[in-house]
Amino acid sequence: RKEVEQDPGPFNVPEGATVAFNCTYSNSASQSFFWYRQDCRKEPKLLMSVYSSGNEDGRFTAQLNRASQYISLLIRDSKLSDSATYLCVVNNARYSTLTFGKGTMLLVSP
Amino acid sequence: ETGVTQTPRHLVMGMTNKKSLKCEQHLGHNAMYWYKQSAKKPLELMFVYSLEERVENNSVPSRFSPECPNSSHLFLHLHTLQPEDSALYLCASSQMVTGNTEAFFGQGTRLTVV
Repeated sequence: RKEVEQDPGPFNVPEGATVAFNCTYSNSASQSFFWYRQDCRKEPKLLMSVYSSGNEDGRFTAQLNRASQYISLLIRDSKLSDSATYLCVVNNARYSTLTFGKGTMLLVSP
Repeated sequence: ETGVTQTPRHLVMGMTNKKSLKCEQHLGHNAMYWYKQSAKKPLELMFVYSLEERVENNSVPSRFSPECPNSSHLFLHLHTLQPEDSALYLCASSQMVTGNTEAFFGQGTRLTVV
């Protein structure tokens, strides 16, 4: 099992749609979880941290299920500007560094 | 504004050249990373340094040689590269504590090997 695994997509959705991304991680000792966003030809940037209780930031909701080692990101009312690659990030408990998934591409169309 | 600075932003080099990419972070972090991203491909982890010690080397060819002289600086020395090494090279840093903080990326060096 890969350390951090994501569906590569792409996810093609119309504006206004709700879309969900899933991510699984292999190391049960991982303690920190994040979602990053990467625009084409740009560096990845933090979208939001993921907390055990789940957290919401506007149209974005992140959830963590430690028992299943599963993280999700829900985007409601998709905008054209949400088109990007979304990266799931988990801390590597062995080295206390961060491990990035390969990302899921989202394409929002008019 | 990013706390991680990469230079140069763009580099064109011949296959027989030797060049170095530089990354500097001003965030007081103690872990640094090199990633490669080819066109329309996912991020590929190359090297990870934690407390200035290399902790991961993802089967990267020896024509790429990392150096981490201190916790603020990371270099990637390049020699006898191939055209397929053309890519965006991204540096990142994070703070290695229990419950990591987020990682910050530099803007990358776009490398073209001719």
